[in-house]
Amino acid sequence: DAKTTQPNSMESNEEEPVHLPCNHSTISGTDYIHWYRQLPSQGPEYVIHGLTSNVNNRMASLAIAEDRKSSTLILHRATLRDAAVYYCILRDVGDNYGQNFVFGPGTRLSVLP
Amino acid sequence: GAVVSQHPSWVICKSGTSVKIECRSLDFQATTMFWYRQFPKQSLMLMATSNEGSKATYEQGVEKDKFLINHASLTLSTLTVTSAHPEDSSFYICSATVGPSSYNEQFFGPGTRLTVL
Repeated sequence: DAKTTQPNSMESNEEEPVHLPCNHSTISGTDYIHWYRQLPSQGPEYVIHGLTSNVNNRMASLAIAEDRKSSTLILHRATLRDAAVYYCILRDVGDNYGQNFVFGPGTRLSVLP
Repeated sequence: GAVVSQHPSWVICKSGTSVKIECRSLDFQATTMFWYRQFPKQSLMLMATSNEGSKATYEQGVEKDKFLINHASLTLSTLTVTSAHPEDSSFYICSATVGPSSYNEQFFGPGTRLTVL
């Protein structure tokens, strides 16, 4: 799986938007971009995923660069409950469902009241 | 959505004892489950891949005789830490795939915190 790089930590104020960047310059044409987050003392939680087009769901938006070498997870209004470690992970669409996810260090997001 | 549970959520044991951790997929059948370990302030590290009805595949450096994995049914996988020692204290997380799927979404359990005294 191609590697991703993320900032170690970020801070945001409550109720403000947060843009979490992820660089994946070696992404292949068949790699999906996944975002998971892990709240303290919990297992990772799915946030969003995409391939080429920008994606929106009730939790967040995913903006994918035209060349797909980077992406940004957007939390539109950060809440205290969004404080977590956010992981950007690439997975080849050709992988069978028996393949694990490879977690990097992620970005630790702090939300200030 | 798909739900994965783990039991117990936390356990404290004495050094030298064995501990079993259960991972269940509550509303779907999981052909493949994964076991991860996470030390404080670190990311998740894959320990093994568990396929129903067959032997688990362990990652390099993970002792298969120490971390016994059984995947007896499509909804249950167990991890047994045998002869646990303080260095085995960690947060153990399982995940399961709802597959086959073109984007391979995984669902993670809430984790089990093991403390070995």
